Amino acid sequence: GDSVTQMEGPVTLSEEAFLTINCTYTATGYPSLFWYVQYPGEGLQLLLKATKADDKGSNKGFEATYRKETTSFHLEKGSVQVSDSAVYFCALSDPGAGNMLTFGGGTRLMVKP
Amino acid sequence: EPEVTQTPSHQVTQMGQEVILRCVPISNHLYFYWYRQILGQKVEFLVSFYNNEISEKSEIFDDQFSVERPDGSNFTLKIRSTKLEDSAMYFCASRMDRGTNQPQHFGDGTRLSIL
Repeated sequence: GDSVTQMEGPVTLSEEAFLTINCTYTATGYPSLFWYVQYPGEGLQLLLKATKADDKGSNKGFEATYRKETTSFHLEKGSVQVSDSAVYFCALSDPGAGNMLTFGGGTRLMVKP
Repeated sequence: EPEVTQTPSHQVTQMGQEVILRCVPISNHLYFYWYRQILGQKVEFLVSFYNNEISEKSEIFDDQFSVERPDGSNFTLKIRSTKLEDSAMYFCASRMDRGTNQPQHFGDGTRLSIL
């Protein structure tokens, strides 16, 4: 079945540091890929998405590129802020599996001033 | 921006009792989902719902669970006889259509605590 693997956290960075959160996936079909973010006490918010190979999703300074050859969708940001502290979830939606989302385990990011 | 709303935000229930979690999806969305997140674990798919019937369900979604869209706006998850292991955060989500480029939009979740 489909699966998503993320690097385990927590990831602790200083403000303005470069962020990478690794995400790899396995899927039977041609999935769409997503990053969701969960701020403390809140629900899941879509951060960015990519629907086919080599697509780059971007939002709020975050980027991720759909790499079919390495089955990866790593999240990056050039300069993190304290307000980016949250849990980040990589997820895929496989049309062959009913389009439900399969999530990774989540990576907690803590940014210190 | 339209959003998915869930009530209550926190539900405390005695083991063995029935509980109903409520969701109001975004109004023009056609596909509805429930997920759960046990503390410290992954977000897991429970069930998807389209055209007034279940379209997919996971192994977690056993006979104790049911979903309903009673009035065209609400989407409910019922757990018939709750167990301690049902304690989790439950998220409702909706999607406009089945296209793979359409993301699911999530509510803020209901934290269910079984005593």
